[in-house]
Amino acid sequence: AQSVTQPDIHITVSEGASLELRCNYSYGATPYLFWYVQSPGQGLQLLLKYFSGDTLVQGIKGFEAEFKRSQSSFNLRKPSVHWSDAAEYFCAVGKTSYDKVIFGPGTSLSVIP
Amino acid sequence: DADVTQTPRNRITKTGKRIMLECSQTKGHDRMYWYRQDPGLGLRLIYYSFDVKDINKGEISDGYSVSRQAQAKFSLSLESAIPNQTALYFCATSDPFGGAYNEQFFGPGTRLTVL
Repeated sequence: AQSVTQPDIHITVSEGASLELRCNYSYGATPYLFWYVQSPGQGLQLLLKYFSGDTLVQGIKGFEAEFKRSQSSFNLRKPSVHWSDAAEYFCAVGKTSYDKVIFGPGTSLSVIP
Repeated sequence: DADVTQTPRNRITKTGKRIMLECSQTKGHDRMYWYRQDPGLGLRLIYYSFDVKDINKGEISDGYSVSRQAQAKFSLSLESAIPNQTALYFCATSDPFGGAYNEQFFGPGTRLTVL
């Protein structure tokens, strides 16, 4: 069965520092991959998605993610974190473009001023 | 106006009460979903509907039921609420055939507390 892991439950970074949030999935073929952000008291917003092509994808708010098939990973990165990036981040995986998606447990990001 | 709306936004109820959470969307999507969010568990799928006549159980459907009244409306019911159903509930929609690769569009959530 499909599964999604986010090894880091909580991460704290200083404002201006770089960020990498990890996501690993278990599925043989190339899945449809998503990163969502949930700001406090808000719903989830899509940051970026990947299904084929260039393995480095750009998203909103200065985020990017890299798909690595050999590692079954889709890690989210940002070169310089802003205080407003403090939120919960969810990785999600779908087997196909029309299948339901599976969400990871989330990583909570805190930003120190 | 928001594309996906949920009512109520907050609800406190007692054990054994029947509760209905409602979701409406103006995105024109056929697919709708109900998730619950618990700390450390991410989002878990309760029910999903691919169109008005197609309703499917998700991974945690026990204790819940749904109704798809129209393309735009999808309601979640707790027939007899229990405390471990205290959670944040999200409705979402998607359009897998519109080039968005089944991206989910979420409502703002309903915080439900069962005492």
